[in-house]
Amino acid sequence: DADVTQTPRNRITKTGKRIMLECSQTKGHDRMYWYRQDPGLGLRLIYYSFDVKDINKGEISDGYSVSRQAQAKFSLSLESAIPNQTALYFCATSDLRMGANTDTQYFGPGTRLTVL
Amino acid sequence: AQKVTQAQTEISVVEKEDVTLDCVYETRDTTYYLFWYKQPPSGELVFLIRRNSFDEQNEISGRYSWNFQKSTSSFNFTITASQVVDSAVYFCALSVDSGGYNKLIFGAGTRLAVHP
Repeated sequence: DADVTQTPRNRITKTGKRIMLECSQTKGHDRMYWYRQDPGLGLRLIYYSFDVKDINKGEISDGYSVSRQAQAKFSLSLESAIPNQTALYFCATSDLRMGANTDTQYFGPGTRLTVL
Repeated sequence: AQKVTQAQTEISVVEKEDVTLDCVYETRDTTYYLFWYKQPPSGELVFLIRRNSFDEQNEISGRYSWNFQKSTSSFNFTITASQVVDSAVYFCALSVDSGGYNKLIFGAGTRLAVHP
């Protein structure tokens, strides 16, 4: 089984609808992230969480909210979807290991969201 | 400012050719990490390598090799004897300390097409 899973994998919705994307991990990592990928722009960080009680905005958080329900679960919500939120969304996890001062991020398979 | 530039948007080669993907980064931090990720047509992001700013040794892993040169702020990736399965988008990323967590900054990616 995959270490980082995302549901749904594909979603088509209409403008104004509320959408939730879910991420689960079995890696036991404390840190979780949500990114969006747009063609030609690489990945941009939406939100990140160091643990259940620590949630932080990334560079493009407007229009999004998140919930860290448990160490292993981190969901991303679009309260009122708009067409320019059409993108590929990735969840990632990382773990700051003892003795290292950076943490490698491991990504889920992505969710392709289309807002009509 | 921190930035990653992958000047090659798309590269097309014939199988068995060697190919180098360029990555140039900008940061004023003295401690940083560099990454390469692979995104095959299926869409997931696969971690390939992490390098810290204090270690300029080149690395080889099978047909993959990485050349890190601080003098030119580059972290180039070479695939030797390319194969069709190497067709993917490759992302270079820079990790720097950003107020308590290691922010991952992605380049725009290079799409590699390997033809039989």
